[in-house]
Amino acid sequence: QKEVEQDPGPLSVPEGAIVSLNCTYSNSAFQYFMWYRQYSRKGPELLMYTYSSGNKEDGRFTAQVDKSSKYISLFIRDSQPSDSATYLCAMSDNYGQNFVFGPGTRLSVLP
Amino acid sequence: DAGVTQSPTHLIKTRGQQVTLRCSPKSGHDTVSWYQQALGQGPQFIFQYYEEEERQRGNFPDRFSGHQFPNYSSELNVNALLLGDSALYLCASSHAGRLQETQYFGPGTRLLVL
Repeated sequence: QKEVEQDPGPLSVPEGAIVSLNCTYSNSAFQYFMWYRQYSRKGPELLMYTYSSGNKEDGRFTAQVDKSSKYISLFIRDSQPSDSATYLCAMSDNYGQNFVFGPGTRLSVLP
Repeated sequence: DAGVTQSPTHLIKTRGQQVTLRCSPKSGHDTVSWYQQALGQGPQFIFQYYEEEERQRGNFPDRFSGHQFPNYSSELNVNALLLGDSALYLCASSHAGRLQETQYFGPGTRLLVL
């Protein structure tokens, strides 16, 4: 079992749809949970980070962490074609050690 | 602010050769991490430098080594290149102790080993 698992997609949705992206993990030492967006031929860009369990909202993006289920989600409301990218979840322990990325989900938002 | 810059952008090498990749961190950042990203995969952590010392290392062989300079810039060296070393090499900078919330990535160096 890989440490962090993520559906690779591709996921295609119409413009304006709500998108749900998810990751599962196995290491209970993970305390920080991040979501990155990576456009083609670019480096990843940090979208959001959360500590421990709970929800965090930033504009059209909402991150959820359920540590009891070892499951994290990113929701994108009112999706736009400019949201088309690969979304990577990442996580680390309390001290920033053992920083692990998921394989990424490719998202296409169709106009 | 130029953000994180990396050079070169692309590189072609042959098996057995050695390569050096360079990274300049975002202004104000003091920590540099290097990642390897194979096609269709997420980045894999290679190592992290802070105060000119390697602070953490991922599961990579000793053929991968690095250096951080007093101005916080960094180099990644790979010796005895293998075909499997072909990947996008990403440099990321951050504030010490705040990696999770401050990590910025550069555009990467695409390495092809023939």
